[in-house]
Amino acid sequence: EAQVTQNPRYLITVTGKKLTVTCSQNMNHEYMSWYRQDPGLGLRQIYYSMNVEVTDKGDVPEGYKVSRKEKRNFPLILESPSPNQTSLYFCASRPGQGNQPQHFGDGTRLSIL
Amino acid sequence: AQSVTQLDSQVPVFEEAPVELRCNYSSSVSVYLFWYVQYPNQGLQLLLKYLSGSTLVKGINGFEAEFNKSQTSFHLRKPSVHISDTAEYFCAVSPNSGYSTLTFGKGTMLLVSP
Repeated sequence: EAQVTQNPRYLITVTGKKLTVTCSQNMNHEYMSWYRQDPGLGLRQIYYSMNVEVTDKGDVPEGYKVSRKEKRNFPLILESPSPNQTSLYFCASRPGQGNQPQHFGDGTRLSIL
Repeated sequence: AQSVTQLDSQVPVFEEAPVELRCNYSSSVSVYLFWYVQYPNQGLQLLLKYLSGSTLVKGINGFEAEFNKSQTSFHLRKPSVHISDTAEYFCAVSPNSGYSTLTFGKGTMLLVSP
């Protein structure tokens, strides 16, 4: 089954404790992206990757890092999480061309205390 | 750069009534347009997309949308809604230039009551 898998689905942690949210897709997609969803703000892009070793900032990249060492994986790293990063996070992937729809994971709900 | 405006944050409607969710966009280049739906505690699913050609696009679950270039709109419609259509709906736009990123609106919550 074609899917985007995120882990963990839920996480409660404390300020400053480094965490990684993993994202993996099994569709051989070139393009992958991370979004955060906040009430009243919709989805805002954090980082995206056009292909292996190619990443770029989205609209709200501050406080986040990503890497794309393999085509299927695109982890999101919070080196020093802060309460304003409490949010619902989605990973998505699609084939390279922009006319193709994105496939979304089920989301990761992060709470930073 | 692109932007998307969804004019209504919430749309309450009774079951079997028609509904229209409004979306306007702004872009200096030609665009692709998408509607996604998010059911509670789930990720986003594609409802429909406009790439080119016919301006009336049909999607899943009986939804359709019409692209209006002069009004830069892409409103979503359904002639008769069901309780199960209760969800949040997102309009999104990307430039039609290869490896481009997607910009989302802030979403419209459709609340269908009996």
